[in-house]
Amino acid sequence: GAVVSQHPSRVICKSGTSVKIECRSLDFQATTMFWYRQFPKKSLMLMATSNEGSKATYEQGVEKDKFLINHASLTLSTLTVTSAHPEDSSFYICSGWMNTEAFFGQGTRLTVV
Amino acid sequence: GESVGLHLPTLSVQEGDNSIINCAYSNSASDYFIWYKQESGKGPQFIIDIRSNMDKRQGQRVTVLLNKTVKHLSLQIAATQPGDSAVYFCAENRSGNTPLVFGKGTRLSVIA
Repeated sequence: GAVVSQHPSRVICKSGTSVKIECRSLDFQATTMFWYRQFPKKSLMLMATSNEGSKATYEQGVEKDKFLINHASLTLSTLTVTSAHPEDSSFYICSGWMNTEAFFGQGTRLTVV
Repeated sequence: GESVGLHLPTLSVQEGDNSIINCAYSNSASDYFIWYKQESGKGPQFIIDIRSNMDKRQGQRVTVLLNKTVKHLSLQIAATQPGDSAVYFCAENRSGNTPLVFGKGTRLSVIA
């Protein structure tokens, strides 16, 4: 099946710094990618829809200035957590569709200390 | 048995028994449903899917049942193995290339 590569898999950063998470579709082009967030023992919640060449669409309650999304090419979407706080610590996962199937990245475990 | 509380519902089964994991979905317009398995620290792994024009689909050791009347989805795992221990999520979708909406998840614990 198709591969979505997400990097880094784990990151620890200090409060106030920014962290960039990359999501690449390795063998398909994705005009749209989706970013999810998952808290411990909880389900995946959609944060935003990343659109190639245009602005991302954010879900209600997700701060667009805090979670910057860039989708500059058909194979790369990035999520930057700006001015990170401990409450931003979470598991972040990206996803893209190829034909009729959704594929997920490996996820990024962000810990803000 | 199964328990529901503040944490993920947990289903504990003996190795070799069959497991049934249930899910209620929310959108009657959803036409595509997927079961995912998630192991600790990893992203969701596709198990099986079903479209709304079907009510049953079988894979290797897994069966998905769809009841559109009551918006209910179930995943049956035959001869459950220790490697099946994970959290299982159902997800619904409408019209592809749109976000998946995930259910709350169920933790399956296999007792050897």
